[in-house]
Order: sequence, then C-alpha cells, then structure tokens
Amino acid sequence: EPEVTQTPSHQVTQMGQEVILRCVPISNHLYFYWYRQILGQKVEFLVSFYNNEISEKSEIFDDQFSVERPDGSNFTLKIRSTKLEDSAMYFCASSVVLSTGELFFGEGSRLTVL
Amino acid sequence: QQQVKQSPQSLIVQKGGISIINCAYENTAFDYFPWYQQFPGKGPALLIAIRPDVSEKKEGRFTISFNKSAKQFSLHIMDSQPGDSATYFCAASKSSGDKLTFGTGTRLAVRP
Repeated sequence: EPEVTQTPSHQVTQMGQEVILRCVPISNHLYFYWYRQILGQKVEFLVSFYNNEISEKSEIFDDQFSVERPDGSNFTLKIRSTKLEDSAMYFCASSVVLSTGELFFGEGSRLTVL
Repeated sequence: QQQVKQSPQSLIVQKGGISIINCAYENTAFDYFPWYQQFPGKGPALLIAIRPDVSEKKEGRFTISFNKSAKQFSLHIMDSQPGDSATYFCAASKSSGDKLTFGTGTRLAVRP
C-alpha cells in the first residue's frame, strides 16, 4: 500500500541550528502538507503546497520556516534557526485531490531542540 | 471560530462496550468531518469521515453521527476491543480549502 515516508524519524539539534525534514509523498498525490504535534497536544496545520507554491500557511509558519519540492518526489520543511518551542513531531501529509480532507500522513519526524 | 472542540480528553471502556467521543464546531463553512486514529509513535490515519448531507455513516464497528443544526458530530465504536486503544482526533475542513482543523484528541483505553 502506498505510504508517505519521512526522514529522519528523530533529530536532535541545538537551538539556533538549521534543520531540514524530508518527506516523500504518495506518488500520484498533488497536494502536500506539513503539520506538527507538540507532545500530548493536538495536531496543528503549518502549511499546504500545490503546484510548486504555498497555497496556505498558518500563523505558526513564520519566516523561520520554508518548504520546497526540489525534485519530483521529495517535499522538505526547513527551519532556519530552531527554537526550543520548535520541539515537536512534524508530520508530512499528502492528498490526491483538493477539498476532500482525505489526507494521508507519514509516521512523523520527531524534532528535539536543546 | 476555527476551533473544533472535542471531549472527553480520555476514556476507559471495557472490552465489548461502546466508546463515544464527541466534537463540536462553530464554523458553518466546514463541510467535511473526518475522524483520525493515532497509535503511539505513528501518524494519524483516516478512520471514517462524513459530509453534512447525511446524519449517520457506519463502517463496520465505527459510526459517525452528525447533527448539523447543533454543529456537533460524534464517533461511536461498538464492541470496543483492546486493539482500538489509541488517540482519536476529530477534524473539519471546508470544501473550498484543504486545511484540516483538528480537535484536541481523546485517548481511548479499552480494558480486556
């Protein structure tokens, strides 16, 4: 069964360092997303991406965050200068069509900022 | 207005019992209401979803009940099993957009 894959599964970094989280969405999907989940809390929307550009972003997704689809398969989330409060599980998701809400999530990348 | 409120925060049910989780929303533009199941260390996985044109949808032991006038929807898990122990999130999205707004989650424990 096709799945969304994410790497790394866990990354530990020092505050102020840059982090890149990588995702390979399901191959025929067109819409890509990043969500995050702070430990024990709800899943929060960060950004959606379609046709090589951001289609929507939340207030969490400030200038420290960026997304990129550098090739036909990878979708990355970059945090330029990490803060302690960026520690969370980051989930990549993809969907084949817009407005169905049927998102397929990866297993997540746990980011720990020390 | 974008919030989705979910209750209870945690739920303990005996094997074979019925688990009921409730959600309420305020934004009438929402028209897609999925439930996601999340096991520890895993990403959320779509369990079942409903649109407001129906009041109930059933898939196996899982049923969504939807009350459009009250802006509430609920998940019922019949004959709950220990393997159902997980965190359940309700969510909502607009037809014109794709962003999911999640509830705060319910941690379900089914005792053998």
